Amino acid sequence: QVQLVESGGGVVQPGGSLRLSCAASGFTFSSYGMHWVRQAPGKGLEWVAVIWNDGSKKFYAGSVKGRFTISRDNFKNTVYLQINSLRDEDTAVYYCAKGSSNWIDHWGQGTLVTVSS
Amino acid sequence: DIQMTQSPPSLSASVGDRVIITCRASQDIKNYLAWFQQKPGKAPQSLIYAAFSLQTGVPSKFSGSGSGTEFTLTISSLQPEDFATYYCQQYDTYPYTFGQGTRLEI
Repeated sequence: QVQLVESGGGVVQPGGSLRLSCAASGFTFSSYGMHWVRQAPGKGLEWVAVIWNDGSKKFYAGSVKGRFTISRDNFKNTVYLQINSLRDEDTAVYYCAKGSSNWIDHWGQGTLVTVSS
Repeated sequence: DIQMTQSPPSLSASVGDRVIITCRASQDIKNYLAWFQQKPGKAPQSLIYAAFSLQTGVPSKFSGSGSGTEFTLTISSLQPEDFATYYCQQYDTYPYTFGQGTRLEI
């Protein structure tokens, strides 16, 4: 079955950087787009970014464009989210999600990023 | 960006009830609409895609309808495990956007 396991979250100071990873298994990773979605404490879901199956195209939410970079390694079955210039409002649980055609069909359990001095 | 508006923000219901949640898009998104369920402290789960198609394994008590700008999620014969927060999401245009959520409470 599909498994998505995020890692890399933690506490980071404002202005700092972090790289999140999502290890995928149970499906042909190189055939599917992958997404990151985040959820601030007590708030709703916010779509963050997507990368196409071959890495040829990437799209971002306006709130993270220029600070976040999504990438993938189809040999390691892993998708990454590099997050730079962290702000208080980036504090959230970050979920990795598998795409199916264009929609999301599976989610990981999430990794918490806390921006705090 | 396309704005997604859900109503109501919260909804009280009882076991056995049928409920309807509405999602409105700020522009035509054809049928590129998904619904997700999230229980407290848990990751979201995918319920419906293409406005009315059930994800594998989702019970038929969940149904979706609509196209263009108006969509609904109907949950019939509510059971205790159905009490959760439900989100719609458009995937017609990047950036994808979610509704603010509807909290379904007993």
